[in-house]
Amino acid sequence: AQSVTQLDSQVPVFEEAPVELRCNYSSSVSVYLFWYVQYPNQGLQLLLKYLSGSTLVKGINGFEAEFNKSQTSFHLRKPSVHISDTAEYFCAVSDTGGFKTIFGAGTRLFVKA
Amino acid sequence: SAVISQKPSRDICQRGTSLTIQCQVDSQVTMMFWYRQQPGQSLTLIATANQGSEATYESGFVIDKFPISRPNLTFSTLTVSNMSPEDSSIYLCSVEYRQGRQTQYFGPGTRLLVL
Repeated sequence: AQSVTQLDSQVPVFEEAPVELRCNYSSSVSVYLFWYVQYPNQGLQLLLKYLSGSTLVKGINGFEAEFNKSQTSFHLRKPSVHISDTAEYFCAVSDTGGFKTIFGAGTRLFVKA
Repeated sequence: SAVISQKPSRDICQRGTSLTIQCQVDSQVTMMFWYRQQPGQSLTLIATANQGSEATYESGFVIDKFPISRPNLTFSTLTVSNMSPEDSSIYLCSVEYRQGRQTQYFGPGTRLLVL
């Protein structure tokens, strides 16, 4: 069985500062990894995904994430955040053979002016 | 990406009543799922909606409480039966494409408040 741990429930950061949202997973099989964003009162939107190949994945809105198999991590980064990045961010994992996606508890990113 | 719509977008219901949520996708999809997101929490998978057969429920969810229909490859419904305030939540429909896309897309959600 897989599980996902998002190590920070809330991350406050000033505008234009860099940010890293941490995600660790556990799985005994090969996985696909995802980051989703949920803006206030909206549904989930895919930011980026890792399926295979390059471990550095670039997504929308200037976000990127790096898959580290040895550390079972998939941390999300952005070099300079905007006020509009304030949202809830969910890390998710699914095994490559199955159909279920398991979501982490979420990290609330709060960007301050 | 898929365009997914849900109806209603929100509702306020009395305890003991039932609400049916509809999910419509703009293209045929193999996998459709229903999730619940309780206030301030992450997503929990309720069930996988299977076309032409009974839904597959996750631990803690039962068909009598959350009956699901999936009459075709673009449509599904979730009913929340005999509601209580604990059912107040956002209910999200999701679809997944296989064959190289391996990504879930989510509907906008249905915000349910049970009084």
